[in-house]
Amino acid sequence: AQSVSQHNHHVILSEAASLELGCNYSYGGTVNLFWYVQYPGQHLQLLLKYFSGDPLVKGIKGFEAEFIKSKFSFNLRKPSVQWSDTAEYFCAVNAYGNNRLAFGKGNQVVVIP
Amino acid sequence: DTAVSQTPKYLVTQMGNDKSIKCEQNLGHDTMYWYKQDSKKFLKIMFSYNNKELIINETVPNRFSPKSPDKAHLNLHINSLELGDSAVYFCASSPPGGVTEAFFGQGTRLTVV
Repeated sequence: AQSVSQHNHHVILSEAASLELGCNYSYGGTVNLFWYVQYPGQHLQLLLKYFSGDPLVKGIKGFEAEFIKSKFSFNLRKPSVQWSDTAEYFCAVNAYGNNRLAFGKGNQVVVIP
Repeated sequence: DTAVSQTPKYLVTQMGNDKSIKCEQNLGHDTMYWYKQDSKKFLKIMFSYNNKELIINETVPNRFSPKSPDKAHLNLHINSLELGDSAVYFCASSPPGGVTEAFFGQGTRLTVV
């Protein structure tokens, strides 16, 4: 079964700082990879996804993520965060061909104005 | 035009009661899910239905019973509610062909008192 690890559950940073959130998964086959964002009191929204092709994926709101197959990683980055990026961020993995989307435990990001 | 809609948004009830949460999606997706998000924001899959057929049933107490009258609806009925059932329950759907992207509802915050 696939599993997903996210480290540094609580991240606090100032506006304009750079953000990087790590995501590692355990599954040896082909995977689909996702980052979701959950703003306070809201539902999950897709930030970006990777299925195949260019391992550097650009998403909404200036986010990007890089798939490194050899490291089983899909880290999320944003060069300069804003206060409005305060949210919970979830990495999710789907083993190709099955219906299960496994989530990591999330990163709570707080951006201080 | 909400893609995945859940009702109610908030539900406060006493221990021992039976309650239902409804979910509908108008995206034409074949697969629907129920996720539970606990107080630590951890998202755990409970059930998945594909075209009205149960395909994932995680280790969930049998007090929880999903029902899918058609592929656009997946309801969750909970019997004999317990304090530990308090959480946010998210419905989601995804298109056919395995998980390409899951679309989430707004969530139902269940509080058992």
